[in-house]
Order: sequence, then structure tokens, then C-alpha cells
Amino acid sequence: KAGVTQTPRYLIKTRGQQVTLSCSPISGHRSVSWYQQTPGQGLQFLFEYFSETQRNKGNFPGRFSGRQFSNSRSEMNVSTLELGDSALYLCASSLARGVVTDTQYFGPGTRLTVL
Amino acid sequence: GEDVEQSLFLSVREGDSSVINCTYTDSSSTYLYWYKQEPGAGLQLLTYIFSNMDMKQDQRLTVLLNKKDKHLSLRIADTQTGDSAIYFCADLVDSSYKLIFGSGTRLLVRP
Repeated sequence: KAGVTQTPRYLIKTRGQQVTLSCSPISGHRSVSWYQQTPGQGLQFLFEYFSETQRNKGNFPGRFSGRQFSNSRSEMNVSTLELGDSALYLCASSLARGVVTDTQYFGPGTRLTVL
Repeated sequence: GEDVEQSLFLSVREGDSSVINCTYTDSSSTYLYWYKQEPGAGLQLLTYIFSNMDMKQDQRLTVLLNKKDKHLSLRIADTQTGDSAIYFCADLVDSSYKLIFGSGTRLLVRP
């Protein structure tokens, strides 16, 4: 079974631009979560989607947004990029069979560099 | 709020056992996880433990959970150079479907 895939793997943008990152979950998984990883802040939760609905959001500004499609694929968008948005963005998928989200499996990440 | 803490660095000799420790604050933890991250890569799930368990063994990996002290540990037996990586402890916050991660422990295995 294929794992979580993320595209693109690397991205270079300039301040003020916007960017869209894509995540395809493991087949059959319905929940997709996004995390930001930086040397200073570590791994921080961005948001989680299930059945095309955002169930929870972390403490990030409104410039960070996401969506999920009917096939469970997800995209996240960052508008008006700032230097501090440079990070590894990780996507995780899980089956989400019930009330408690089960094990999250991570993709390889998208490395975003903002110049 | 919920918090997870880990020591930053551990160095062991090849063939020895490694023990990575983690403490958490969440009183309603259901699952606790260990992930491994190699340079330039995403997070690889190593193992997890349900909160009503004290111990879980999976080949070379042993997870111990002391729920009273909110302490979790990962023991790697017969540590190999390929085990050199950053290890993250993570707590699943039941009410919000998110993982709270520790800062990661960098494990260096010396030949």
C-alpha cells in the first residue's frame, strides 16, 4: 500500500507570494492533519480535516488555510508569505474510524524556503 | 495546556541499549507515540502505547509507561548505527485530534 505522498518536495518562494502544498493520504484514510516543523518551534499542529471538514485548527494566523476534497486529498495554502514561514510542512493521514483519531502516518514533507 | 518534554541528546556505543525518556502533562492521554526522523525525511512511526498499558514490546523496542508520573520511555536494544536519528515522543490529545510533540531527542550511535 502506498504511503502518504506530498508535493512538491521542495519549494522556494519570495516574501509576499502565496503557496499551495498538496497531500495525498494512504488509500482508505479519511483524516488528514498538517504540521509545521521549524528548528525554533519544533513540530506544531496546523489543522486537521475529516470528510472535507476542518475539525480542529492550531494557533496559526489566518494566512494559513486548508481544504480537503471528496477523495480525501488535502491542500494547504499560505498567503502573503513571511520569512518565518520557512519550514518543513508535514502531512499525516489516519483512518479516523471513530471518536478518537487513530495512528497518524506521516509523509516525507514539503520543504518551503521563503526568501 | 498540554506539553511534552524530552532530553535533547543521547550518545551510546553500538551494541548497547538506548533509553530515551519523555514526560507529558495531559491527564486525558489515550495514545502515546514514538516517531523517528532521519535527516531530510518525514516522521516514521516506530511504535505506540495505549494509556491503559504499562509496557509494550516490539522486536528491539520496548515502551514503558508510568501513567502516575506521566513518564514514557523508549528502550532500543542492541542499538545500531542505523538507529542514529531524532526520536520524537508524541501525545494524542483526545479532544482535538492533534498530536503534541516533544522537542525530539537526537540519538548518536558511536561505532
